[in-house]
Amino acid sequence: QVRLQESGPGLMKPSETLSLTCVVSGDFVTTGYSWGWIRQPPGKGLEWIGNIYHGGSTFYNPSLQSRVTISIDTSNKRFSLNLNSLTAADTAIYYCARGVGSGRYFDFWGRGSLVTVSS
Amino acid sequence: EIVLTQSPGTLSLSPGERATLSCRASHYVTGSYMTWYQQRPGEAPRLLIYGASIRATGIPDRFSGSGSGTDFTLTISRLEPEDFAVYFCQQYGDSPRTFGQGTKVEIK
Repeated sequence: QVRLQESGPGLMKPSETLSLTCVVSGDFVTTGYSWGWIRQPPGKGLEWIGNIYHGGSTFYNPSLQSRVTISIDTSNKRFSLNLNSLTAADTAIYYCARGVGSGRYFDFWGRGSLVTVSS
Repeated sequence: EIVLTQSPGTLSLSPGERATLSCRASHYVTGSYMTWYQQRPGEAPRLLIYGASIRATGIPDRFSGSGSGTDFTLTISRLEPEDFAVYFCQQYGDSPRTFGQGTKVEIK
């Protein structure tokens, strides 16, 4: 069983950089999986942000690629999301999840962390 | 990118009834690479189906997926109280991975 837990600030200001961390309990090293971030704006559908492999290779959604960095800390079984130049449109629940392959789909998810961007 | 449109937006049914949820893709989905998730309020999304029709580990057989190309369906044969939730489809035949906007199955 794999469990994921997101943590981060609940409130951000426009133009700031968001940093979220996901801590993983359980298997973190099995090959064939990656670690990803997905978000859900209020009342809207889900949007894939990107994935990172255990070795550090990353895959990003082209719509966010210029503002996103995902990193991994294998020693502490955690991975992180940085999203810069925030606007109100970045207000969302941010989920971390385990991706099968390069984030083809996601078999374990965290409960999500609400991030509000407001001045 | 592939846009996924789910219908209906809300499905009002009674326990024991059959639920049929649709997911239509704007372009052909390679390899029937379609996934379905369930999300109950306040909980993490739960993987139900991948590869359009393969149930994930531990998923009851009242859940079934079908379809190919641009039209996919999730069927819940007999609704249990715990099945009233929001359901999302997601394609992984093309990058970026994209999700539908969700169908809410509510108690009638």
